[in-house]
Amino acid sequence: NAGVTQTPKFRVLKTGQSMTLLCAQDMNHEYMYWYRQDPGMGLRLIHYSVGEGTTAKGEVPDGYNVSRLKKQNFLLGLESAAPSQTSVYFCASSYRGGYSNQPQHFGDGTRLSIL
Amino acid sequence: QQQVKQSPQSLIVQKGGISIINCAYENTAFDYFPWYQQFPGKGPALLIAIRPDVSEKKEGRFTISFNKSAKQFSLHIMDSQPGDSATYFCAATKRGSTLGRLYFGRGTQLTVWP
Repeated sequence: NAGVTQTPKFRVLKTGQSMTLLCAQDMNHEYMYWYRQDPGMGLRLIHYSVGEGTTAKGEVPDGYNVSRLKKQNFLLGLESAAPSQTSVYFCASSYRGGYSNQPQHFGDGTRLSIL
Repeated sequence: QQQVKQSPQSLIVQKGGISIINCAYENTAFDYFPWYQQFPGKGPALLIAIRPDVSEKKEGRFTISFNKSAKQFSLHIMDSQPGDSATYFCAATKRGSTLGRLYFGRGTQLTVWP
């Protein structure tokens, strides 16, 4: 049972390069989320999706784009990477909201360094 | 504006001791308060959660205490073990919301010394 799988696990980019982070879930969840985790800042929501074909901005969306073409996949794109985007990125999914017996399930993260 | 404030940022406890992490919120619309546990190199995972209609919830060595009037809730880890060493996040959300968004505290790094 894979749950939420994130690829790649590690990546080093140069400033200005672009890349896409992939999140895949096999739990048939409707909701998917992208967070970034920085020391002392907790988990901050970048973008989220409440269903296939829909996306919305979270708390820190600038510099990122997302797409949800298939229910099981949620892609996070960096068009022109900046050193401020060095972080650990987590994808999560849930059946509905992150409450009751429907918690958010997290992947193990992508560690991204931008030089 | 930070929706959920968490303290302390780090905590060191001796094996067998009690670990206490505190959180406070402002939005009275929040009605579900989960705690997530994160081990190094892993994503957070739900540990325990509480709704505001109860003042305490216990699961094994983990207890959430909830004070609705003070808008505060805390996690107590009894008989703390080295295996409890992890980062703990409190969170809050409004169950009726279509967004299902969790607002996280900034985390507490717990170290339990053997």
